[in-house]
Amino acid sequence: ENVLTQSPGTLSLSPGERVTLSCRTSQSVSSSSLAWYQQKPGQAPRVVIYGTSNRATGIPDRFSGSGSGTDFTLTISRLEPEDFAVYYCQQYSRSTRYTFGQGTKLEI
Amino acid sequence: EVQLVESGGGLIQPGRSLRLSCAASGFTVSTNYMSWVRQAPGKGLEWVSVIYIDGDTYYADSVKGRFTISRDNSKNTLFLQMNSLRAEDTAVYYCARGRPNFGDYENWGQGTLVTVSS
Repeated sequence: ENVLTQSPGTLSLSPGERVTLSCRTSQSVSSSSLAWYQQKPGQAPRVVIYGTSNRATGIPDRFSGSGSGTDFTLTISRLEPEDFAVYYCQQYSRSTRYTFGQGTKLEI
Repeated sequence: EVQLVESGGGLIQPGRSLRLSCAASGFTVSTNYMSWVRQAPGKGLEWVSVIYIDGDTYYADSVKGRFTISRDNSKNTLFLQMNSLRAEDTAVYYCARGRPNFGDYENWGQGTLVTVSS
């Protein structure tokens, strides 16, 4: 199993701040197979970044993703009130299938 | 517009069976890979199962041998048959559509809650 470890667990920030979330995998991941999701209370997850650095449809350009191998990051350049949510990273590989990180909560 | 609508959740006793459905519209289930992902109350996301275009299926170790994923092409619907349910299977179950060539899930349903309790 490819274990994904996200840090930190919770971040307390203010609108307008820049934030970088970390996702570390126990096994190397293809750059095409790492995604980030945003989930708000009572809602389904929504993909924000796929293939490490591709913004999903409708995602504003303040969201960006980067990384390779076992270290990946999601950066929000300037937090808006609607960005406060839980963020999950997720990987896919043919051998380990699909796994999610435990999530990072962004709170005001 | 792509839509996924899950149904079939509810309160069920341990050891019993339940079948979840996910009705799809705006795309064809059989030409996409589809998954079930669950989320226990207050917890994170857990991948459960996938069915690929060629019909191959895979399961998380936690449900292997108890859950079965399938699809009905004529109804454009995905299913999850859940047998021998346990308290730890209590969760919101989401169906999700995979993005070709990338391994992420680009569309999600709203989820259906399964509560396993006596």
